[in-house]
Parts: sequence; structure tokens; C-alpha cells
Amino acid sequence: DQQVKQNSPSLSVQEGRISILNCDYTNSMFDYFLWYKKYPAEGPTFLISISSIKDKNEDGRFTVFLNKSAKHLSLHIVPSQPGDSAVYFCAASGGTSYDKVIFGPGTSLSVIP
Amino acid sequence: GAVVSQHPSWVICKSGTSVKIECRSLDFQATTMFWYRQFPKQSLMLMATSNEGSKATYEQGVEKDKFLINHASLTLSTLTVTSAHPEDSSFYICSATQETQYFGPGTRLLVL
Repeated sequence: DQQVKQNSPSLSVQEGRISILNCDYTNSMFDYFLWYKKYPAEGPTFLISISSIKDKNEDGRFTVFLNKSAKHLSLHIVPSQPGDSAVYFCAASGGTSYDKVIFGPGTSLSVIP
Repeated sequence: GAVVSQHPSWVICKSGTSVKIECRSLDFQATTMFWYRQFPKQSLMLMATSNEGSKATYEQGVEKDKFLINHASLTLSTLTVTSAHPEDSSFYICSATQETQYFGPGTRLLVL
């Protein structure tokens, strides 16, 4: 039973446009959500996180939105750059950053120059 | 950000041998580290939670006798794949927490 879902396995976006990556979760006990970027044969790199008490968190070109009632979050990247091309994993944990993290299946983003 | 290293980055071994992978937090102490495994084109699957000074907590379906975890100090956790078989070939990644989880670069294991 997949607790964190990313229904789009891939996404292509033109450079300069907005990239929107979506994520849904089923476990209402999740209290802390993270997005990671990963290149092949490398470990994931932390991008941005959000706790359940917030509905938005912004860091530069990256913004994460959380809709707790819908159990849905999204990552917005604007403007998208070719260097953003990677696999993006949505992840969730129980309440603090010290809890185990459950990953979604990932979305492969391609930013076309 | 915090740095987590893994050693080795690549390992090729014969079936039946044991392989040890080290995970180190380089500039911070981590009482808890996590071990993940990623098969090609799949997500990262949590294998176990490594706790300094105590036994690891394994996820359902992960054999604790096959994947031995030792968290001997606040900066080092090791994963030993015992009697490795070709189906154990995978990308193993560890993480350690300092405000958020930071991941190591991963270890590619190929069992022939």
C-alpha cells in the first residue's frame, strides 16, 4: 500500500515556465513533508520542506503548497531551468525531521531549453 | 548543509560473500541514521532505522539477519549485506538527521 503517491512519472516543461509537481498521501499521521531532487547514481538532495501547520513554504524558485484536507501537496518551480532536470521525490514523515521518511515513486522532470 | 558520506561508492562481489557499507556524518552527530535501497527506476525504500547504541529497527519484509546494521558511534553506521546474492544488487543509500534528513551519495552494489 503506497502511502505517498506521485501519479505523474514524468513531466516536460519549457525553460522559463513553471513546473508543478504533485503529490498525494494517504496517512493522516504524516505531519512533515519534504521534496528531494535526485540525479542517477547519487543520493537525494533536500530541496524544501513544510510542516502540517503551514500551507505554503517558499525558498527562492521553489514553493511547496500543502492542502491538508485534501492530503495533497505540490512543488512549484519558477522559472524552470535546464539544470532542474532530475527526478523529484515527494516524501513524508511522522512529525519531526527525526522520524523515518517515506518516499513517493518520483517524477522525472525534463526542462527543455 | 550537513554532509553525509558513504564508503565504498561502488562494490562488485561474488555471490555468497559479505559486503560492508559505511555511512558517516562528517560534521555533525547523528543518533539516528536510516538505510534505504533503490532498485532501477523505482523509489527509495526504507530498509531500517539505525539507532546509536541500540538495535536497528527493520521495516516489514527486510531480513535483519541478512542486512546487519551497526551504529557504533554518533557519526558512523554500517550496513553489512551477508551472503550476498545477485538479487541484492541495488543502490544503497543512508541518511542522517540534522534538522532535516541529509542523504549520502549512495553505494552501488553488484553481486555476480
